Amino acid sequence: GQSLEQPSEVTAVEGAIVQINCTYQTSGFYGLSWYQQHDGGAPTFLSYNALDGLEETGRFSSFLSRSDSYGYLLLQELQMKDSASYFCAVKSNSGYALNFGKGTSLLVTP
Amino acid sequence: GAGVSQSPRYKVTKRGQDVALRCDPISGHVSLYWYRQALGQGPEFLTYFNYEAQQDKSGLPNDRFSAERPEGSISTLTIQRTEQRDSAMYRCASSLPGHDTEAFFGQGTRLTVV
Repeated sequence: GQSLEQPSEVTAVEGAIVQINCTYQTSGFYGLSWYQQHDGGAPTFLSYNALDGLEETGRFSSFLSRSDSYGYLLLQELQMKDSASYFCAVKSNSGYALNFGKGTSLLVTP
Repeated sequence: GAGVSQSPRYKVTKRGQDVALRCDPISGHVSLYWYRQALGQGPEFLTYFNYEAQQDKSGLPNDRFSAERPEGSISTLTIQRTEQRDSAMYRCASSLPGHDTEAFFGQGTRLTVV
């Protein structure tokens, strides 16, 4: 089967940096994706790592270590609008669907 | 359309009734997914279409759930003989060929079974 583990909640201060970790177990690995979801909204794609290393997109970066079955999402210069749930996801063993973790609720405080 | 469109946005139905949820994906997106999301949880995969072919239905909970995409565009998720445990947000997503790690989600249909 598959499993994804990420912290349930993280709190950080506006302007700070926060890292959201994700560990996964899967028999076939096609890469790690990250999605953001605001309350009442739809999940939106943030980033995807197929290979080891860091991918940077503006204030957000995502890292992958395939040997450790581990990745993280790094959010810099936190803003109040970054308060949301963040999900890591891997493709299913069938290679078709994305399977999501339970999500990390990020609260950014003033 | 500009985004993935789902209808209705809200559906309240009595236990035992059948419901049909509709998804209109982004034009040109051949991959289409149905997910179910409980409050405070991540999306749970239900089924996947490549054009009109249903290539993975391993996530459908039981045989009361079915989905179709007859012309490779609009899809319908049907739940027969609804039960209270079926109450959830049902989300549709679509993606471009070869970019299925970047799925675009619709706003969902909130189903409440009373």
